[in-house]
Amino acid sequence: NAGVTQTPKFQVLKTGQSMTLQCAQDMNHEYMSWYRQDPGMGLRLIHYSVGAGITDQGEVPNGYNVSRSTTEDFPLRLLSAAPSQTSVYFCASRMAANTGELFFGEGSRLTVL
Amino acid sequence: KNEVEQSPQNLTAQEGEFITINCSYSVGISALHWLQQHPGGGIVSLFMLSSGKKKHGRLIATINIQEKHSSLHITASHPRDSAVYICAVEGGGGADGLTFGKGTHLIIQP
Repeated sequence: NAGVTQTPKFQVLKTGQSMTLQCAQDMNHEYMSWYRQDPGMGLRLIHYSVGAGITDQGEVPNGYNVSRSTTEDFPLRLLSAAPSQTSVYFCASRMAANTGELFFGEGSRLTVL
Repeated sequence: KNEVEQSPQNLTAQEGEFITINCSYSVGISALHWLQQHPGGGIVSLFMLSSGKKKHGRLIATINIQEKHSSLHITASHPRDSAVYICAVEGGGGADGLTFGKGTHLIIQP
């Protein structure tokens, strides 16, 4: 099992550019989520999904868009990158909301110039 | 929203020492997670517990629901244990019910 696969690992963008962070899991997990990790702060939830076709906003959703067309994939889109979006992003999945351990991807380090 | 406090924020110890990392939270929860993040690496789940104590190798996690407190212990610490340890609680708020602590940065010196 590959677990949670996140790409790319590193990305540099210019302000105003758009990009998509990919996240895929092969564990048939219903729940998937995106977090950002910034120095001195805990992981903060951007968006999450409790199943295919269902997404919801987290704590810091502005500037990000998600979709969940399949159980396996949960891409995160940056619509118009800003320097404030420079961060490390983690995708996570678990069996269902509030159920089971969390599985994380390796992280994606994004720098917006 | 649940407030999660970890202590200490930073800890440096010698190889072989017994390590304790603490996590306190403000509102009752249904479960608590301990996570490990190596420098530049991904995040790995160590434990998920809702009561009592769990052990995996040299790692032990305990939780006291009444006191709203959990501890992560590492016995016979080793340099490869150097990592950030993150506590996360379920319940008491947060969009998806999870609230994360800021982490404890542990360095084990040989």
